[in-house]
Amino acid sequence: SSDLTQPPSVSVSPGQTARITCSGDAFPDQYVYWLQKKPGQAPLLVIFKDNERPSGIPERFSGSTSGTTVTLTISGVQPEDEADYFCLSPDSSGEDASFGGGTKLTVL
Amino acid sequence: QIQLVQSGAEVKKPGASVKVSCKTSGYTFSHYGVVWVRQAPGQGLEWMGWVNGYSGNTKYAQKFRDRVTMTRDASTGTAFMELRGLRSDDTAVYFCARCKVLIAIEGFDHWGQGTPVSVS
Repeated sequence: SSDLTQPPSVSVSPGQTARITCSGDAFPDQYVYWLQKKPGQAPLLVIFKDNERPSGIPERFSGSTSGTTVTLTISGVQPEDEADYFCLSPDSSGEDASFGGGTKLTVL
Repeated sequence: QIQLVQSGAEVKKPGASVKVSCKTSGYTFSHYGVVWVRQAPGQGLEWMGWVNGYSGNTKYAQKFRDRVTMTRDASTGTAFMELRGLRSDDTAVYFCARCKVLIAIEGFDHWGQGTPVSVS
């Protein structure tokens, strides 16, 4: 499996833009998935295949890539976006995968 | 609608085994796999491995290779994860999720509610 690196925390005020990065050696050869995790809840997929948004996920969530870094952007952050965010990506074999360490998004 | 419903909370002694089930519905089980992920208290998400719903083939994370077995019952659309030789640091919430392997593993669009496992 590969090592995926995320910042431990990001803080923004409501209405601002939050950017959470994830760096990995397998990028850009493998897709990245972003999961939102709130206490007591199951993970929620918010971005798949780098920049695709599942149905039901607000448009303020978007994903982008640049070389070996992928970014989850939340535009116009809402209080309910406060959560831990994890990137997930397959390794070079495509059959194994790993998570980033997670980023705690705090909405001030 | 697509659902993954997991078995209930477990309390185990160190050295014991635990088997968690994940009952799926609302989609063709054999067209997908099931991945298992866990989250220990105060920690991040940890990838454990997955089982192919059609073939039953598995791929385990290196860390768990000696202690985990993932199986499935295609007739009922249920996946199972058994972890042996439990230790206190196996205390976690265990999640299942739907996945697919085409060129690479993908999916993760539907999740079970989680099964707390306490080892003490």
